[in-house]
Amino acid sequence: GNSVTQMEGPVTLSEEAFLTINCTYTATGYPSLFWYVQYPGEGLQLLLKATKADDKGSNKGFEATYRKETTSFHLEKGSVQVSDSAVYFCARGSSNTGKLIFGQGTTLQVKP
Amino acid sequence: GAVVSQHPSRVICKSGTSVKIECRSLDFQATTMFWYRQFPKQSLMLMATSNEGSKATYEQGVEKDKFLINHASLTLSTLTVTSAHPEDSSFYICSARDRRGGSDTQYFGPGTRLTVL
Repeated sequence: GNSVTQMEGPVTLSEEAFLTINCTYTATGYPSLFWYVQYPGEGLQLLLKATKADDKGSNKGFEATYRKETTSFHLEKGSVQVSDSAVYFCARGSSNTGKLIFGQGTTLQVKP
Repeated sequence: GAVVSQHPSRVICKSGTSVKIECRSLDFQATTMFWYRQFPKQSLMLMATSNEGSKATYEQGVEKDKFLINHASLTLSTLTVTSAHPEDSSFYICSARDRRGGSDTQYFGPGTRLTVL
């Protein structure tokens, strides 16, 4: 089927720690992949994206590489800040319909 | 950039009334917009695809007569929750599909918190 699976949260880290949030997908073909971030009470903001295999998306210190061999798009950041505390959603796109299929979201809490 | 706005950000209404939520793409034209519903601490549930100039496409289990969608222009889609009841209370989020320059990315509005008393 077509789905997106993220690691369960919440993830709690100390400031300046290394972050990894795992995301794997199932799909036919090579869909575009996205990470969105949602701060409390707000909509989703696009964090980064990758449109083809081996592409690396990056923004605000976050990175994710499109790995077709492992069908993964793990989100990483070398040094998290308290302000990174939010819910992170991995998603894959459908080029035909434009629809997004979301993972369940991972809550990140960064403590000072 | 790509900015999507929603209005209102919060609305409280009485049971039985109808509520209209607007979604606008501010700096690009969007032939396709999407409406989602989000329950607390959960992911987004796609409700429908809003197509400019044609009828919306609803996901399975979403009542089209309950959630009326109109996409009257390339920058505006509206969602009307008709005869709202407390179980319709939720966070509604729209997105607009940006296909400029060969890309295909959804940009999201800030959401509308609906509370039905």
